[in-house]
Amino acid sequence: DAGVIQSPRHEVTEMGQEVTLRCKPISGHDYLFWYRQTMMRGLELLIYFNNNVPIDDSGMPEDRFSAKMPNASFSTLKIQPSEPRDSAVYFCASSRDRGFDEQFFGPGTRLTVL
Amino acid sequence: GQQVMQIPQYQHVQEGEDFTTYCNSSTTLSNIQWYKQRPGGHPVFLIQLVKSGEVKKQKRLTFQFGEAKKNSSLHITATQTTDVGTYFCAGPSGTSYGKLTFGQGTILTVHP
Repeated sequence: DAGVIQSPRHEVTEMGQEVTLRCKPISGHDYLFWYRQTMMRGLELLIYFNNNVPIDDSGMPEDRFSAKMPNASFSTLKIQPSEPRDSAVYFCASSRDRGFDEQFFGPGTRLTVL
Repeated sequence: GQQVMQIPQYQHVQEGEDFTTYCNSSTTLSNIQWYKQRPGGHPVFLIQLVKSGEVKKQKRLTFQFGEAKKNSSLHITATQTTDVGTYFCAGPSGTSYGKLTFGQGTILTVHP
């Protein structure tokens, strides 16, 4: 298996632009998680899905952030409009539906908003 | 809400020295997981502990789960430069099934 796939790996954009991050989870995994990592705040859970349905989006910072999972093999995290404080590494992770199973993280997208 | 605290935040050791990081939860955990993130990399699962008082070993790494299932530790014997990275503990959130709460992590630096 190729593992969790994320794209792009690096994104540099200007303030106010729309940013879309993409994730392909491991086949057969029923849970998908979006995390944000910064030096100041550490690893934060933004939102997670179970069987393509959003379960908990309490970590989404504000309305500028949205996430979708149209099918079991694809998810997007969108920021519109982006701001410099959104600069971070965004990780996607997936896990099987066996109750608190290990999470497999993707390589991450390093986002820089100028 | 549930909090998972890790200490220390940073640890600098000479190669060959031992290293320990501690994890404490504000609530009892059904299980605890440990992850390692190399510099510039992504978190990678190391192990899961489930039973009260459980001890598991992976080569030079020893993981313990407290009797009360509210704390855990990771001990590395005779560190090597390949041990460099951030070590995270994570426990079930208690509020949302399938969700993990990660500690802040301990950043380990090993000087050759």
